[in-house]
Amino acid sequence: RKEVEQDPGPFNVPEGATVAFNCTYSNSASQSFFWYRQDCRKEPKLLMSVYSSGNEDGRFTAQLNRASQYISLLIRDSKLSDSATYLCVVTSDTGRRALTFGSGTRLQVQP
Amino acid sequence: ETGVTQTPRHLVMGMTNKKSLKCEQHLGHNAMYWYKQSAKKPLELMFVYSLEERVENNSVPSRFSPECPNSSHLFLHLHTLQPEDSALYLCASSPGTGGSSGANVLTFGAGSRLTVL
Repeated sequence: RKEVEQDPGPFNVPEGATVAFNCTYSNSASQSFFWYRQDCRKEPKLLMSVYSSGNEDGRFTAQLNRASQYISLLIRDSKLSDSATYLCVVTSDTGRRALTFGSGTRLQVQP
Repeated sequence: ETGVTQTPRHLVMGMTNKKSLKCEQHLGHNAMYWYKQSAKKPLELMFVYSLEERVENNSVPSRFSPECPNSSHLFLHLHTLQPEDSALYLCASSPGTGGSSGANVLTFGAGSRLTVL
């Protein structure tokens, strides 16, 4: 089983749509969770951290379900500029452990 | 210069060449990383340095040799590579390592796209 699994997509949605991505992780000891965004031929950039109680940043809402070991990202009112690959990222708190990335979910927002 | 800078941005090399990738961070971070990104695969962690000490080495072939002379600079020395080593090599830095809030949030460089002929 992969450490971090994501549906690769692509998700093709019209502008203004609401779209949700899910991600599952295998390590129950994981402590930190993030969503990164990667534009085509660019480096990944932090979109938002994911907190246990869920958190929102403008049109973006992240949720964490520790019992089921999944993380979600909801994007409301999609913009053309939201088109990118969204990477789910987790880490373990056991000693020094760098981030483990999922393969990413590709989103294409269409006019 | 701000952020994380990688050079060269593009590199084409033969299997017998020796080359190096360079990374520099201007963020005052204590940890630096090399990741490999191949098409349709997740980012693969190669090496982690914390305060110039290598703390993680994920079974990377010896033809890749990292060097961290100080907390701001990281190199990846390449020799006798194989065509399957062609990929985007991303350098990143973070304030620290481990799970404390914000310590391991990564800032990436733009990457060095390597082609091995």
